[in-house]
Amino acid sequence: DAKTTQPPSMDCAEGRAANLPCNHSTISGNEYVYWYRQIHSQGPQYIIHGLKNNETNEMASLIITEDRKSSTLILPHATLRDTAVYYCIVRVDMEYGNKLVFGAGTILRVKS
Amino acid sequence: DAGVIQSPRHEVTEMGQEVTLRCKPISGHNSLFWYRQTMMRGLELLIYFNNNVPIDDSGMPEDRFSAKMPNASFSTLKIQPSEPRDSAVYFCASSLGRGMAETQYFGPGTRLLVL
Repeated sequence: DAKTTQPPSMDCAEGRAANLPCNHSTISGNEYVYWYRQIHSQGPQYIIHGLKNNETNEMASLIITEDRKSSTLILPHATLRDTAVYYCIVRVDMEYGNKLVFGAGTILRVKS
Repeated sequence: DAGVIQSPRHEVTEMGQEVTLRCKPISGHNSLFWYRQTMMRGLELLIYFNNNVPIDDSGMPEDRFSAKMPNASFSTLKIQPSEPRDSAVYFCASSLGRGMAETQYFGPGTRLLVL
């Protein structure tokens, strides 16, 4: 019941920007978009989240379209260590609070 | 500063045996989550605790699975009896806050193989 659509895999050259797209056409007005990644054999790692404005932190930038139906995660200078599965998640609001539902994600391969 | 600690890291057991997975959340965090990851089903939330109280256990697959959080620094996930289809990586995560919207910090996982 994931509410997002991501390409199954992408390649990126080392040192170049990696742009990972995500469609979330059914997102509601108060639902946040989250990005996590999972490096092989490790637990998922939080990257960034946003509601409607673009966000930037030390790891990445998140660009959300004006209609909020899609977003792009940008890794400005990808390294080999950025090879991972990237999950785009829309927070689902529940009666008690909220919930994150992980989809299949995008496998990003950074190549030298 | 230690992250989420899980033990054991690897577990191999035979069908029918009891399995207990352990988790120590980050100190000060008040929410704890148990997830299961398989190739077929991806990452699934099993149960979520807030202030040691189970809030959402709708993801627990069946009565063979049970989870407890006796205090703020310890949680267990028990499978009794275990079956081969329970083979998966089990992750524990913790966060500070009430809902799942807060940043979750994941542990390294326990790789369970049931023969």
